[in-house]
Amino acid sequence: AQKITQTQPGMFVQEKEAVTLDCTYDTSDPSYGLFWYKQPSSGEMIFLIYQGSYDQQNATEGRYSLNFQKARKSANLVISASQLGDSAMYFCAMREGGSTGGFKTIFGAGTRLFVKA
Amino acid sequence: EAGVAQSPRYKIIEKRQSVAFWCNPISGHATLYWYQQILGQGPKLLIQFQNNGVVDDSQLPKDRFSAERLKGVDSTLKIQPAKLEDSAVYLCASSFRGQGGEQYFGPGTRLTVT
Repeated sequence: AQKITQTQPGMFVQEKEAVTLDCTYDTSDPSYGLFWYKQPSSGEMIFLIYQGSYDQQNATEGRYSLNFQKARKSANLVISASQLGDSAMYFCAMREGGSTGGFKTIFGAGTRLFVKA
Repeated sequence: EAGVAQSPRYKIIEKRQSVAFWCNPISGHATLYWYQQILGQGPKLLIQFQNNGVVDDSQLPKDRFSAERLKGVDSTLKIQPAKLEDSAVYLCASSFRGQGGEQYFGPGTRLTVT
């Protein structure tokens, strides 16, 4: 069965410092995708970064990078140079399937990040 | 490019009443999702459409929830009758199949059942 685990309910980081948000996953499907989304207090989920299971290099998007360790089944999000606007909920999600045309996506419980000035 | 549109943004109903939510995905996105997000939790997939066909509705409480996507564009999600535990934010998302799979979310509908 699919499973996504985010063990950090809340994290604090000083402005301009880097922070790592943890995510572990469990799947038996060799083809899967991992996503991180940001949900500010306004409620709208915003896509941040994607890592495919066959990708050789870790994904990066601006200040976001994904530390993908396939053998450990972890996909941690690293935010560099934190900004006050980074304060939000962050969700890790996994998509598997697709061989029959249907992808299944599940989300973790989320980590709330607080950036301190 | 216009984003995913949802309406209404807020809805308050009494238990046992019915309610409907509407979603208009990003133009050209074949896949449409409805999620339920209870306060303090991650989104839970209720139903997924590919064009106007259902791909996955395994977590949809079919005795009270229904959804349709006519003509492969707009979608409606209905609850009848509502229960207190249905209080949540209902998120609609869409994606373009074959493009990495990231989903684009609407602003959500916050439902309160009293």
